[in-house]
Amino acid sequence: QQQVKQSPQSLIVQKGGISIINCAYENTAFDYFPWYQQFPGKGPALLIAIRPDVSEKKEGRFTISFNKSAKQFSLHIMDSQPGDSATYFCAASPRGAGGTSYGKLTFGQGTILTVHP
Amino acid sequence: DTAVSQTPKYLVTQMGNDKSIKCEQNLGHDTMYWYKQDSKKFLKIMFSYNNKELIINETVPNRFSPKSPDKAHLNLHINSLELGDSAVYFCASSQSLTVTDTQYFGPGTRLTVL
Repeated sequence: QQQVKQSPQSLIVQKGGISIINCAYENTAFDYFPWYQQFPGKGPALLIAIRPDVSEKKEGRFTISFNKSAKQFSLHIMDSQPGDSATYFCAASPRGAGGTSYGKLTFGQGTILTVHP
Repeated sequence: DTAVSQTPKYLVTQMGNDKSIKCEQNLGHDTMYWYKQDSKKFLKIMFSYNNKELIINETVPNRFSPKSPDKAHLNLHINSLELGDSAVYFCASSQSLTVTDTQYFGPGTRLTVL
C-alpha cells in the first residue's frame, strides 16, 4: 500500500528551467510534508518542509505548493542548476497524540532529476 | 565532526551469515531510526527508538534486531542473511518524536548478500 505517490519517476530539465515534482497522499492524518534531496552515495537531507495550514512555502529557489483539499503537494525548483541533479523524495508524517509523529516518515518513490548545462 | 555516522560503509557477505551495522550520532538527539532503501531507491522505515525505547517496529522479519546501548547509538543486527536483504541501510536521528523534527540521515551502509 503506497500511501504517498510521487511523479514523475525521472525528470530532465535544462539549466535555468523549472523543475516540478508532484506528490499525492490518501491518509488525512498526515500533518507534515518534508522534501528530501539525495545525492549519489549519500543519505537523504531535508530540503524544505510544509504544514497543511499554509498553501505555499518558499526557500530560495525551492517552493512547496500544498493543496489540502486535493491532498496533493509539489516541489518547484526555479532556475534549475546542474548542481540540483539528485533524487528528490517527498514524504509525509502523521500527527499523533501530543504533537508526536512517532518518527514515522512515509516516503514517495523518488524522482531522479537531471539538469543539463 | 560527522553528525550521523555508520560503519561499515560497504558489507558483502554470504547467505546465511549474521552481520551487524553500527550507527552513532553526535547531535545530542533523543530519537534514532533505521531505514531500508531498496534497489529502486524506495525508502522505508524499519525501526525507531526514543531514549533507548523501541517506538516503531514495522513489518520487519525477526531476523532484524535493533539494539540501542545508549541514546547516541543504534545498531542493527541481522541474522541468517537472505538475498532479499541486499539494500542500502540508513540510520537517522532527530531531536525528538515531534512531528516537525528534522530527521538527519547517515551516509548509508550498502549490504550485498551473495
